[in-house]
Amino acid sequence: AQTVTQSQPEMSVQEAETVTLSCTYDTSESDYYLFWYKQPPSRQMILVIRQEAYKQQNATENRFSVNFQKAAKSFSLKISDSQLGDAAMYFCAYRSTPQGGSEKLVFGKGTKLTVNP
Amino acid sequence: DGGITQSPKYLFRKEGQNVTLSCEQNLNHDAMYWYRQDPGQGLRLIYYSQIVNDFQKGDIAEGYSVSREKKESFPLTVTSAQKNPTAFYLCASSSAPGQGHYGYTFGSGTRLTVV
Repeated sequence: AQTVTQSQPEMSVQEAETVTLSCTYDTSESDYYLFWYKQPPSRQMILVIRQEAYKQQNATENRFSVNFQKAAKSFSLKISDSQLGDAAMYFCAYRSTPQGGSEKLVFGKGTKLTVNP
Repeated sequence: DGGITQSPKYLFRKEGQNVTLSCEQNLNHDAMYWYRQDPGQGLRLIYYSQIVNDFQKGDIAEGYSVSREKKESFPLTVTSAQKNPTAFYLCASSSAPGQGHYGYTFGSGTRLTVV
């Protein structure tokens, strides 16, 4: 079974600076999807960014980008120019392709990000 | 706009009562999920359904029940057998591969408290 590990329970960053959240996963599959979700104090889960394993190019969404290292099974999230609104719990998640058999997202335990003014 | 609606936002349950949490989606998604989240914790899967009239237990199904009579609806009942039901409950749905981002779209959650 796949597992997702977020080794940083908490992180902090100064406003306008850059922070990187770590995520590693364990799988024997060659094709899959990876996601980062944000859960602010409102507790609404919001999709931040998505990466398809067969794509070598790292995904980017405005100030959010990933460093996807397939061989190392690493999927870190970089937040540039951090804003107060970025303060949230961030979850890394893995999903097999349908051929892989699992229809469920596998979540890490989350990293709580604090943004200091 | 398409999305997932969970209701109510807050729910209070007396000891021994069954309560039902509503989850409705108009995204035309086949798959739907229920998660439980305790303070400072990650998400734990309760039940999921990949198609109408079919559902599977997740990691913590004991004390919960679900139904999936319509594609749009996936209600969760918290029964009196669930000894510690106070938690935040999230419902999600998922597009099929090749449609959308293939991740989950989440509702805004229901906060259940036992009184």
